[in-house]
Amino acid sequence: DVKVTQSSRYLVKRTGEKVFLECVQDMDHENMFWYRQDPGLGLRLIYFSYDVKMKEKGDIPEGYSVSREKKERFSLILESASTNQTSMYLCASSSTSGRADEQFFGPGTRLTVL
Amino acid sequence: GQSLEQPSEVTAVEGAIVQINCTYQTSGFYGLSWYQQHDGGAPTFLSYNALDGLEETGRFSSFLSRSDSYGYLLLQELQMKDSASYFCAVRDKGNTPLVFGKGTRLSVIA
Repeated sequence: DVKVTQSSRYLVKRTGEKVFLECVQDMDHENMFWYRQDPGLGLRLIYFSYDVKMKEKGDIPEGYSVSREKKERFSLILESASTNQTSMYLCASSSTSGRADEQFFGPGTRLTVL
Repeated sequence: GQSLEQPSEVTAVEGAIVQINCTYQTSGFYGLSWYQQHDGGAPTFLSYNALDGLEETGRFSSFLSRSDSYGYLLLQELQMKDSASYFCAVRDKGNTPLVFGKGTRLSVIA
């Protein structure tokens, strides 16, 4: 079974702190994604990566950055956390050779910024 | 840009059939997908349609009409465990990421 893991289920940080959210997948997937999910807004794409050291901005990249130094790991960084970044963060991965449009999601990290 | 419209909430009775609609506007079209997410859980893939017609997987079916920019997810013999949020998602080009709708919360009642 494909497994996508995220470093924390719940995280509480202070405004201005630097926050790292880690995502690891174990199925050698080329593609990895970071979303945030807020009530009534669905899943919004922050950043994605189709290869190691490659990154592309999604729909809402402001205030975030990412790092993909290894194929299996995709990190989301909040350089200076703000209260409006309180949200559920979901990581996903997919294979370019797998079933079309099938993404595998991690369990999510619920981040609260105080 | 791309936009998707789906109802925010649907309520249906256990054992019944429910249809969740999704209309989309995209510059191109590569496929329509459906995902299920239970409260507190991660979204999981349900189905994918690239061509017109109905795809059936057990109690779930997904339909696509590209000429109408419309699709739906059909759930039959509803069970309480089907209570969840359902998201449609589209991709307008082969190497672009999915865009998700805002989700439809399905409540199955006894």
